[in-house]
Amino acid sequence: GAVVSQHPSWVICKSGTSVKIECRSLDFQATTMFWYRQFPKQSLMLMATSNEGSKATYEQGVEKDKFLINHASLTLSTLTVTSAHPEDSSFYICSARDGRLEGTQYFGPGTRLTVL
Amino acid sequence: AQKVTQAQTEISVVEKEDVTLDCVYETRDTTYYLFWYKQPPSGELVFLIRRNSFDEQNEISGRYSWNFQKSTSSFNFTITASQVVDSAVYFCALAGGATNKLIFGTGTLLAVQP
Repeated sequence: GAVVSQHPSWVICKSGTSVKIECRSLDFQATTMFWYRQFPKQSLMLMATSNEGSKATYEQGVEKDKFLINHASLTLSTLTVTSAHPEDSSFYICSARDGRLEGTQYFGPGTRLTVL
Repeated sequence: AQKVTQAQTEISVVEKEDVTLDCVYETRDTTYYLFWYKQPPSGELVFLIRRNSFDEQNEISGRYSWNFQKSTSSFNFTITASQVVDSAVYFCALAGGATNKLIFGTGTLLAVQP
């Protein structure tokens, strides 16, 4: 099956620092990856769509300068939370679209970010 | 507009009971995909099934079965002989249109008691 990894699985940082989260598709190439945010006991909220070799498309209300997305290769997308604040604490999940099964996204294990 | 509704917020059953999770969707697209994902306490979303809008055949995979009815815009998920390991949040999702973004329902928390 399609496997997506995410690193780190959890991170604790001080307010004002930046944190980078990596998302990799391990056994398939993904021209499109997605970044979601999930608050406790809530559904997933799409933050942005990441396309290989081009700029990410952000959803309304998501600050592009705060959540920097880079999709440098067909297997790697990164999300950098810049100048993190406690309100950025959340569960961040990436997904990658597998073209072999149209429309299907496979999800990484998620990264729990805690900003002190 | 696209929308997915999972009216059941929480369901609690006793092991070996059958349980059905409801999903109702709205879309104006003629071509779309429906999905179910499982999110156990660990947090990772596990892909369970994908259905395209032209295939209304029901599907069975082990203890899992899915009933897709376009007439009622529903894509329900049944677990037979539930087990404690089935305890998780289950999300129904819809993808359609040019972007194929996933629209998630609010999820149903299933608790299977031993």
